[in-house]
Amino acid sequence: AQSVTQLGSHVSVSEGALVLLRCNYSSSVPPYLFWYVQYPNQGLQLLLKYTSAATLVKGINGFEAEFKKSETSFHLTKPSAHMSDAAEYFCAVSGGGTSYGKLTFGQGTILTVHP
Amino acid sequence: GAVVSQHPSRVICKSGTSVKIECRSLDFQATTMFWYRQFPKQSLMLMATSNEGSKATYEQGVEKDKFLINHASLTLSTLTVTSAHPEDSSFYICSARDASGLTYNEQFFGPGTRLTVL
Repeated sequence: AQSVTQLGSHVSVSEGALVLLRCNYSSSVPPYLFWYVQYPNQGLQLLLKYTSAATLVKGINGFEAEFKKSETSFHLTKPSAHMSDAAEYFCAVSGGGTSYGKLTFGQGTILTVHP
Repeated sequence: GAVVSQHPSRVICKSGTSVKIECRSLDFQATTMFWYRQFPKQSLMLMATSNEGSKATYEQGVEKDKFLINHASLTLSTLTVTSAHPEDSSFYICSARDASGLTYNEQFFGPGTRLTVL
């Protein structure tokens, strides 16, 4: 079984401030982990993914995430928020067994960026 | 590369009618496609996994006879919502997995279809 918990359904930051979106996962096998962004009425766009290579993963638009096995975490960060970062962000895990290849999503975190 | 399209992007129908949504992988072959639904302010919930040339695998609680899935080719999967009712109103998103190369475990998402049943 696999699951994802995103801490904080809403995060609000000022433009230029650090963005930190939290994600903890549960998986019975070494996981693949993903962060997606969704703008209103649109599909999902992949920001970055962890596939058992480097634990610090760099993605698009200045985002990065660090895989920490001991903490079962995969938090998303960006040093300086931009107004265009305002969107909903989903963390997802893909594991093995009967869930192989399937994505399980977290509840989502809405990021608001204030000028 | 790895573009997935959905058609239509938005559909409004009357209660009791059937609606078909198409999902196409435009520049790769997708042996597996996934269908999700997303209610307002909620996350994506997997409805079914569709493998080319075989029957779809539905998640627990998803009615097979209501949500008919066909994956007749390596680039096209369709979801038909039969006898739609207002509670079926939702945002339906498909994704496709490229079975070749380095992106095997990654899903590429379509832009979604907003279904409103009156």
